[in-house]
Amino acid sequence: EDQVTQSPEALRLQEGESSSLNCSYTVSGLRGLFWYRQDPGKGPEFLFTLYSAGEEKEKERLKATLTKKESFLHITAPKPEDSATYLCAVYQDAGNNRKLIWGLGTSLAVNP
Amino acid sequence: EPEVTQTPSHQVTQMGQEVILRCVPISNHLYFYWYRQILGQKVEFLVSFYNNEISEKSEIFDDQFSVERPDGSNFTLKIRSTKLEDSAMYFCASSEARSSGRAKQFFGPGTRLTVL
Repeated sequence: EDQVTQSPEALRLQEGESSSLNCSYTVSGLRGLFWYRQDPGKGPEFLFTLYSAGEEKEKERLKATLTKKESFLHITAPKPEDSATYLCAVYQDAGNNRKLIWGLGTSLAVNP
Repeated sequence: EPEVTQTPSHQVTQMGQEVILRCVPISNHLYFYWYRQILGQKVEFLVSFYNNEISEKSEIFDDQFSVERPDGSNFTLKIRSTKLEDSAMYFCASSEARSSGRAKQFFGPGTRLTVL
């Protein structure tokens, strides 16, 4: 079964305490992996797209990496404003199935 | 910066009633999507739309759902006879490029649908 699993479900960090979020996937016909940020009551906000194993992308305190089976979102020296739910989604293109398959997300809280 | 907008932000309806959720995608985008997110659950794909027709739809998108682009700017999701289990946040998204692994989708703020 095509699946995207994120861990941990929730993470609490102190400001400045770096950590990593994990997204593992078993999806046939993978064509890209997306990271989104979602604030409470809002729609997902695009962060990164990764297409091939070994690829890395960075934006401010965030860095996303991709292997053949998982992706990591590294957060370096987080600030309270980084508190949000981080969603991973994999684009599946297999026959008649073309869609984003989503993980449940990691809820990140950064304490000042 | 251009953004996707959705109205209403919250819709309360009685079971069995019809609802229409509205979206205004980013103006130069050609591909449109609806997703739903039941509270505490994963975001789920419903349907994608291009050139005035459905491109893809999930098993969730059954006969009670329909989508339409009635004019050059709006994109609507209609639920014909709402059920309790339709209560969820509904997100509209749009992308510039063809639905693919490289197409960045921009999401609206969502409409929270509550079915009583």
